Order: sequence, then C-alpha cells, then structure tokens
Amino acid sequence: TQLLEQSPQFLSIQEGENLTVYCNSSSVFSSLQWYRQEPGEGPVLLVTVVTGGEVKKLKRLTFQFGDARKDSSLHITAAQPGDTGLYLCAGGIPANSGYALNFGKGTSLLVTP
Amino acid sequence: DTGVSQNPRHKITKRGQNVTFRCDPISEHNRLYWYRQTLGQGPEFLTYFQNEAQLEKSRLLSDRFSAERPKGSFSTLEIQRTEQGDSAMYLCASSFGPSTGGANVLTFGAGSRLTVL
Repeated sequence: TQLLEQSPQFLSIQEGENLTVYCNSSSVFSSLQWYRQEPGEGPVLLVTVVTGGEVKKLKRLTFQFGDARKDSSLHITAAQPGDTGLYLCAGGIPANSGYALNFGKGTSLLVTP
Repeated sequence: DTGVSQNPRHKITKRGQNVTFRCDPISEHNRLYWYRQTLGQGPEFLTYFQNEAQLEKSRLLSDRFSAERPKGSFSTLEIQRTEQGDSAMYLCASSFGPSTGGANVLTFGAGSRLTVL
C-alpha cells in the first residue's frame, strides 16, 4: 500500500497567519492531488500536480510537488476563517485495470478571526 | 447536472440490520468509486467500477460489504449484518478516466453517514 503521511494532523491559527502542510510518502507518484473537505460534505479538488518540482498557485494557496515526486506541500498565505477545513492529499494506487486514489489522513485546519 | 448524489444522507440502524446506500454519479462519468471515512481519518478506498464492471473489490472491508452498478449508471453499496464498527461516512465519487498526465480527478458526493446502534 502506498501510504501518504500528512503533517501536522491539526493546526489552529489566527486570521492573517501563514501556514504550510506537508504530504510525504516513500513511494513515487505519477501525480498528487489536494482536496479540501468541510464538515458533512465530500472532498473537493483544489489542485493536481504532475511534474516533479512543479509549483501551482491558486489565489493565496501555493502547492509544490517534490522533485522526486514523493512529497508535496500546501502553503496558505494570510489565512482566513473561510480556509477552515480538512486538507487531504491523494495519490494514485494500482486498481485492477484502472486507477484509484489513496488519501492521507488529512490536516484539520482551524482559522479563528 | 447536479453533481454526484448520494442517498440517504443519514442512516441510523440497529446492529445486525442490513443497510443499502445509493449513488448517482455525474451522467457522463464512466468510473465510480466507493470510499469509507471515519472520524479524523482520510477517505479509505473500498471498490471501483468502470461502467458496469466492478474492477477492484479486494479492498472491501469484509464479505458483509457488497456493491453493484447494474447498468453502468447508479450504484448501490450494501452492508449486511451491520456492526457498530461500520459507523462511518460512506462516500461515492465518479470520474471520466484519467485527465492529462494520468491524474484521475474524482468528484465526490456529500456522503451517507451511517450510525449503527
């Protein structure tokens, strides 16, 4: 099983602070995805990173894929209460004749005003 | 299209009863996935369909769990003889094969929360 380790598990910060969450694995992934999940809802895709060393920006969110394609990070600048949620990284796993996603345990982020 | 729809959203049942969840994927998506998520954990992959064919079921948690997608459209997940440990959120997702670069983008439903008393 290709395990994805996310850290930190919990993060509580004040509005305006910056933060970084990490997703690490001993396995190489062809791509990694980041999802955000709010309570009582399903995960929603934020970004897909495909190329080693790739950096993608989505407003105040910056995603990086490690050169070796084993790890990824998500950096949020000037966090806002609306950023509160569970951030999940996901990588592909072999599934018979196809492809499925394996998720990390997530980082639960709380941004207080 | 309203996205991936799951019913019921909440189910409370007594231990030993059978439960069935339904998932209606995005209509043009040929792939459908079932995941389970317990509190404080990420989604755990259970099974996967491409059209009506169940291509991966080795990760179903026990033989009490089964899934069908009879006509390649909606799917059902059944849990027989429920146990308290089955209490979780059951998520369905759909996709249309890999996008560029091999990344498979999943669209999730809001989930069906099961509570076994």
